[in-house]
Amino acid sequence: DTEVTQTPKHLVMGMTNKKSLKCEQHMGHRAMYWYKQKAKKPPELMFVYSYEKLSINESVPSRFSPECPNSSLLNLHLHALQPEDSALYLCASSQESASGRETQYFGPGTRLLVL
Amino acid sequence: AQSVTQPDIHITVSEGASLELRCNYSYGATPYLFWYVQSPGQGLQLLLKYFSGDTLVQGIKGFEAEFKRSQSSFNLRKPSVHWSDAAEYFCAVGAGNQFYFGTGTSLTVIP
Repeated sequence: DTEVTQTPKHLVMGMTNKKSLKCEQHMGHRAMYWYKQKAKKPPELMFVYSYEKLSINESVPSRFSPECPNSSLLNLHLHALQPEDSALYLCASSQESASGRETQYFGPGTRLLVL
Repeated sequence: AQSVTQPDIHITVSEGASLELRCNYSYGATPYLFWYVQSPGQGLQLLLKYFSGDTLVQGIKGFEAEFKRSQSSFNLRKPSVHWSDAAEYFCAVGAGNQFYFGTGTSLTVIP
């Protein structure tokens, strides 16, 4: 089973709202990732967790706050977003710690619209 | 610096025709190479990967890719394209502790 699930599929929020995106995997993977993807562009790495610890933060604004409660679950908390944050947010996981040799498995994404 | 280039932004092929999507990379050592496909509004699905060994790699959905060290390329091929292959294709390179995506190639399939 190589499934990564993400909820919700779609999310519309105002600039003053607080919302959370959820990602789950049950493959026993120890690294999990958040990506942001704009239309017709490749995914841009935001955060990486390895063994439940934040290992990479690609200078993401503080209005995005990741959380890894356990090895199977990854959240992305959103607060005071801007319209330009509207995008597809993808979660991925890989077996071991973040490494170029690890295959990343992606979830279906959450389509976020900020009004 | 490491980089991944997909020279073709958009390709249109007829259903049943053969397909080749190009990918070139820049990296000092042998990288780990991947091809992903993304249907509209969906996540990325792994088509195939190359780590070492046989330079011709078979993947899912009838795709294959060939690693050519001398050309720093990892081109994706399919002998006969189906309408359901219309999607965005991303080449990716794993180097060090980083993962680099190419800019993607959008494939249109015409009947």
